[in-house]
Amino acid sequence: DGGITQSPKYLFRKEGQNVTLSCEQNLNHDAMYWYRQDPGQGLRLIYYSQIVNDFQKGDIAEGYSVSREKKESFPLTVTSAQKNPTAFYLCASSNRGAGEQYFGPGTRLTVT
Amino acid sequence: GQSLEQPSEVTAVEGAIVQINCTYQTSGFYGLSWYQQHDGGAPTFLSYNALDGLEETGRFSSFLSRSDSYGYLLLQELQMKDSASYFCASYSGNTPLVFGKGTRLSVIA
Repeated sequence: DGGITQSPKYLFRKEGQNVTLSCEQNLNHDAMYWYRQDPGQGLRLIYYSQIVNDFQKGDIAEGYSVSREKKESFPLTVTSAQKNPTAFYLCASSNRGAGEQYFGPGTRLTVT
Repeated sequence: GQSLEQPSEVTAVEGAIVQINCTYQTSGFYGLSWYQQHDGGAPTFLSYNALDGLEETGRFSSFLSRSDSYGYLLLQELQMKDSASYFCASYSGNTPLVFGKGTRLSVIA
């Protein structure tokens, strides 16, 4: 069964700690994306990667970091530099050059 | 820049038809896609229009007019489970999708 998995579904951290969110896809998609969604709001792009070992900043990259060492995996680290990290984080993937994206189930991060 | 405009909220009656409009300003426009997101869930892909005209998938249809920079999502025979947020997104080649802010659809009995 092809799809995108994100883990964990819920994550709780203390302020000042870095935390890494997992995203794995077995759709053989070249491109992967990370979005942040705050309550009642739209999707804001954090980082994206169109090919292994390459990634680009999105609209709100400050305080976040990513890596793309494997085609299937695109982990996101929320660093202590991110001022308001509590949010719903969504990972997505697509074929390169395609207008449709497929989303994982999301990770809800709460930092206190 | 690139931007999309869609209504923030729409309310419709169960069994009726509702149209959610989306206007876009996108350089190098390739196509328009639509996503559904239920509260607490992740967006799911509904449709993608690269060409002008209407694409039908069951109760949902999506329309695009490239000359008017306009598209819409049409939901027929509305059901309570269609209550969700709907996002349009523009695609312009090898750059990420640009999403609208979303339309919250409430289906009432």
